[in-house]
Amino acid sequence: GENVEQHPSTLSVQEGDSAVIKCTYSDSASNYFPWYKQELGKGPQLIIDIRSNVGEKKDQRIAVTLNKTAKHFSLHITETQPEDSAVYFCASLGGNYGGATNKLIFGTGTLLAVQP
Amino acid sequence: NAGVTQTPKFQVLKTGQSMTLQCAQDMNHNSMYWYRQDPGMGLRLIYYSASEGTTDKGEVPNGYNVSRLNKREFSLRLESAAPSQTSVYFCASRRDRGGNIQYFGAGTRLSVL
Repeated sequence: GENVEQHPSTLSVQEGDSAVIKCTYSDSASNYFPWYKQELGKGPQLIIDIRSNVGEKKDQRIAVTLNKTAKHFSLHITETQPEDSAVYFCASLGGNYGGATNKLIFGTGTLLAVQP
Repeated sequence: NAGVTQTPKFQVLKTGQSMTLQCAQDMNHNSMYWYRQDPGMGLRLIYYSASEGTTDKGEVPNGYNVSRLNKREFSLRLESAAPSQTSVYFCASRRDRGGNIQYFGAGTRLSVL
């Protein structure tokens, strides 16, 4: 079945450094790739997403890149801050974009620790 | 803005007991979802509802039932809880009209002894 692999499972960086989290998806029909951030004791929250017709998207210190040929997508966080510490999940979605029965397939998560 | 509200936040059950996890959203979304989150396994879809009156199985539906009571509410029921159902449960709803963003509740942490 469809799956999403996410690496690394844990990542520790110094404040101010960059962090990169990588995901690989199996369904070549996937056309939407969101990233969610989950802080301790809270539910996941969308931080950035990208559609398959775009190769890169940026929002301030975060960016996502997509390589459709290799079926890879990555999250890049620059100038990391302690408040970036959280669990990050990637996900992929196939089928008709926006369709009522669309379902996200989530990666297994990356625990990011930003050391002050 | 309440968003997605889940109750209870914590629950401890004995094996064989039953309970219902409640979820309500105030964003007028059609689609709603139930996930479970286990260490090292990410978020796995249990059931979803594309609209009021419809429900469908996700990846791990065994041992669960759901009810889409109305557009706002989507409940998850464990008829006979098992230790394997110890997990954190999240409810989510999805923005409609071509969007795919899912909005999550704060979760219910369930322990089955």
